[in-house]
Amino acid sequence: DAEITQSPRHKITETGRQVTLACHQTWNHNNMFWYRQDLGHGLRLIHYSYGVQDTNKGEVSDGYSVSRSNTEDLPLTLESAASSQTSVYFCASSPSWTGELFFGEGSRLTVL
Amino acid sequence: GESVGLHLPTLSVQEGDNSIINCAYSNSASDYFIWYKQESGKGPQFIIDIRSNMDKRQGQRVTVLLNKTVKHLSLQIAATQPGDSAVYFCAERNQAGTALIFGKGTTLSVSS
Repeated sequence: DAEITQSPRHKITETGRQVTLACHQTWNHNNMFWYRQDLGHGLRLIHYSYGVQDTNKGEVSDGYSVSRSNTEDLPLTLESAASSQTSVYFCASSPSWTGELFFGEGSRLTVL
Repeated sequence: GESVGLHLPTLSVQEGDNSIINCAYSNSASDYFIWYKQESGKGPQFIIDIRSNMDKRQGQRVTVLLNKTVKHLSLQIAATQPGDSAVYFCAERNQAGTALIFGKGTTLSVSS
């Protein structure tokens, strides 16, 4: 069955380190998204992509970057991790702009 | 700016009762709304959506109502079951039409 997977599911890192969270989907969806989820804030959009070589900033993009070199993957990179980036990160994809997003299981990142 | 919010952070009901989860949105031009359910430790899952040219849409045991006059969205769950216990998010398409903006979520607890 087609799916969307995130890795790692849990990670602890130190302030200042570079961290990359992987997202891989096998649905061949054009659209991919990264959200972060924090208590009191719900889900907030970090970056999104509508296809290969396309990337766009969301509402909380500072300190994050993404790249889209193929349809299946949208890795999220924290160039220099900060404690404020401790969160649960969700990747999602959709086949077109239908609104229905298919979410991964999440990656819990702790920055010490 | 855009914001989507839920009236109550928590809702407790008895099994078999009907549940109503409310959501207010700020962008009067929003044309698409969607409800997601998130179980503990998992990513959000699509429940039901509605376009702005509709007032009501029904699914299996769920109904979404849209009142554009007061910018209010609600999710009704009939005969609530323990398996309905989760966090429920409403979301609207952003002004640019490029992504979903999520509310902060309502935690529904169903007791037997």
